[in-house]
Amino acid sequence: NAGVTQTPKFQVLKTGQSMTLQCAQDMNHNSMYWYRQDPGMGLRLIYYSASEGTTDKGEVPNGYNVSRLNKREFSLRLESAAPSQTSVYFCASEIGTGNTIYFGEGSWLTVV
Amino acid sequence: GENVEQHPSTLSVQEGDSAVIKCTYSDSASNYFPWYKQELGKGPQLIIDIRSNVGEKKDQRIAVTLNKTAKHFSLHITETQPEDSAVYFCAASTGSHFGNEKLTFGTGTRLTIIP
Repeated sequence: NAGVTQTPKFQVLKTGQSMTLQCAQDMNHNSMYWYRQDPGMGLRLIYYSASEGTTDKGEVPNGYNVSRLNKREFSLRLESAAPSQTSVYFCASEIGTGNTIYFGEGSWLTVV
Repeated sequence: GENVEQHPSTLSVQEGDSAVIKCTYSDSASNYFPWYKQELGKGPQLIIDIRSNVGEKKDQRIAVTLNKTAKHFSLHITETQPEDSAVYFCAASTGSHFGNEKLTFGTGTRLTIIP
């Protein structure tokens, strides 16, 4: 049972480039989340999807787009990367009734 | 919106001693308070949680206490071991029918256990 799998693990981008972070969960969870983690800031919610076919903005959505491709997959896209988007990104999922959130291993993104 | 403050930001304790991490929250409607442990290079993992209808919960060496009147909750780790070294995050949520999109995290405590 893989849980939450996200790719890539590490990526370096140049300012203005685009990329997509992929996330998949095999726990049949309804809710999926994308967070970013910055030093001294804790985890901040970028976007979430409460169920297949729906997405909503979180605390820091600017500069990002998401797609809930199906129940398993939830991708995060940076259309024009900026140095301020250098961060560690975590995908997470939850069955969807206010229970445990399960996190992926993280994706380290550097924008130069 | 919800604001969660966590203290201390770093904590060093001798192996075998106890460690306490404290969090305060601002939204009196919050009713779910999880604690996550993050090891180096890994994603956060839930270690214990408490809901607003309970004042204390214990799981082996880990316990969490909640004071709803004062709007604070604490993580207690007893008989600390080297493998307890990690970053710990508290969080608070009002929850919803769908999930924890309202979950707000503290800024983390780096706990170091000194052998």
